[in-house]
Parts: sequence; C-alpha cells; structure tokens
Amino acid sequence: DAGVTQSPTHLIKTRGQQVTLRCSPKSGHDTVSWYQQALGQGPQFIFQYYEEEERQRGNFPDRFSGHQFPNYSSELNVNALLLGDSALYLCASSLDGTAKAYEQYFGPGTRLTVT
Amino acid sequence: RKEVEQDPGPFNVPEGATVAFNCTYSNSASQSFFWYRQDCRKEPKLLMSVYSSGNEDGRFTAQLNRASQYISLLIRDSKLSDSATYLCVVTPPSGTYKYIFGTGTRLKVLA
Repeated sequence: DAGVTQSPTHLIKTRGQQVTLRCSPKSGHDTVSWYQQALGQGPQFIFQYYEEEERQRGNFPDRFSGHQFPNYSSELNVNALLLGDSALYLCASSLDGTAKAYEQYFGPGTRLTVT
Repeated sequence: RKEVEQDPGPFNVPEGATVAFNCTYSNSASQSFFWYRQDCRKEPKLLMSVYSSGNEDGRFTAQLNRASQYISLLIRDSKLSDSATYLCVVTPPSGTYKYIFGTGTRLKVLA
C-alpha cells in the first residue's frame, strides 16, 4: 500500500525565485492538503484540493498556488520567494465522503531553504 | 487566544512512567480531534483519533471533554521510543476540512 510521497526532499532557492513541490497521495485517496511547518511550530494549513479544484484555503498570500491532476497528485507553487518561506512543506492525503474523511496521512515533506 | 494550545514542554520522564498531555481548543463547534506524533525532522503520523467516548490503543488513551474544550493523551509505561513531539489537531465545524494544529508537546523518555 503506497503511502504519500513528495519530491524533492530538499531544495535551496534564492529570494525572488519560484518553486514547485510535488505530491502523490496515498493509494486510494482523492484529496490533497498542503501545510507549511516552520521550525518549532505546528503545521499551518495552506490549501486543500479535491476534484482538481481548490476547495479551501488558509491564510496564505496569492504567491502560494496549487494544482491537482486527474490522477489526484498535486503541486504546490510558490512565487517570489521570501526568506520567511523557508520551512518544511507537508502534503497530506485523505479520502473524501467516508467516515474517516477527516483522517489525513502525511508525506515526508520537502524542506525548502530560501537564501 | 490561539485556536489550539498545548504546553510545549519538554516533559522529561523516566522509562516506565505515566505521562499525560492536555490540549485546549477555542471553537466549541469543533468537529474532529486527533493526536499525531512527530519525530525530529519527520512527518506527523496519526497516533489516535479522539472520540467523545474516549478511546484506548495499547498504552495510549485519548479523551475528549467538550464541556471544558480540551483533549488529553495519556501514555502508560513510557518507552524510550515514545520520545517525540505530540501534536494535537482539531478540525473546525462541519463543512471545513483544514486541520488546526497545536505547536506540539515535546516528550523525552529517559533511561
């Protein structure tokens, strides 16, 4: 049973650049959520994708955008990177419309460093 | 007031001890509650869902107190491998899907 996978594992970018992070959900899951976790903090919700659309969004600027593909995989794009965007970016998947729709399973994350 | 609050710790306990963490939440209409475990520089892993009736899984017991708006996690007979950060998660009222995390409680089990 394939779990949530993310790529790349680590990334170093310069301020002002753009980055794309990728996520494949757990086998059988159809919903993908993205979170940002700064050092020493709990993860913060960025947005959730379901049926290839952004279903809900957290308090993140428009520089953060995403996409979900027909195979349920997802991308997170961040434009005009700031030093404060340095964090662990976590992808989580779940299966909508079930009794356990609120249980989310996390991938290993992408550690982004902005210099 | 933060939506979800946890004591950051660290809680340093000897092997075999019993330790309990609490987590308070501000929205009385919150729907679902979870405990996740996160090892250093790893992803959060689902430890337990927390039901109104409480639930137990081996050495771990989770309880929900809606009247006082807190959830708790009890770990009995602590093992060295229990050392981790324990994250409390709350979901808002029905119709929203995001997880709201606490900052986590760090546990160190000492030999």
